[in-house]
Amino acid sequence: AQSVTQLGSHVSVSEGALVLLRCNYSSSVPPYLFWYVQYPNQGLQLLLKYTSAATLVKGINGFEAEFKKSETSFHLTKPSAHMSDAAEYFCAVSDGVTGGGNKLTFGTGTQLKVEL
Amino acid sequence: DGGITQSPKYLFRKEGQNVTLSCEQNLNHDAMYWYRQDPGQGLRLIYYSQIVNDFQKGDIAEGYSVSREKKESFPLTVTSAQKNPTAFYLCASMAGFSGANVLTFGAGSRLTVL
Repeated sequence: AQSVTQLGSHVSVSEGALVLLRCNYSSSVPPYLFWYVQYPNQGLQLLLKYTSAATLVKGINGFEAEFKKSETSFHLTKPSAHMSDAAEYFCAVSDGVTGGGNKLTFGTGTQLKVEL
Repeated sequence: DGGITQSPKYLFRKEGQNVTLSCEQNLNHDAMYWYRQDPGQGLRLIYYSQIVNDFQKGDIAEGYSVSREKKESFPLTVTSAQKNPTAFYLCASMAGFSGANVLTFGAGSRLTVL
């Protein structure tokens, strides 16, 4: 069974500061990993995904994530936070099992607050 | 523009009533999914469908029902058997079945039981 743990349900940073959102995964097979962002009362949008092509993945809006197999982690970072980054962020894992519905398992989310 | 349309955006229900949430996609995606979102619990899978006229239970299917009569439509019915239906419901779709494929989400429907 696959699972995702997001450490810290709420993270607060100052505008211009580094953003670090933590995600650890558990999977019995090489995983596919995703980060999604959700703005209030909206659906989720894809930020980036890891599919084994490269361990450092760059996404939209200046975000990136590094896959570390030894640490079973896929933390999301952004060098300089902007007010518009305030949102909820979800890490997700897929085991890519075709015929099994290719279901994604989501973490519980991290609410990012950006302060002036 | 291609995308997923969910309706209604907001819905109020009295206890004991069934309600149906609509989900339509024009992306020509094969697979469709329904998730439930509660504060602090992330997204939990209710039902999913990989092909017309076929669907599978997810992790929290009790009290819900779905149909997939057309490729572009995947309505969710919240029945009176669902004990705590107040939540934000998200519909999503995916092209194909590779693990690398991305879920595309609708804007969600917020159900409140009065």
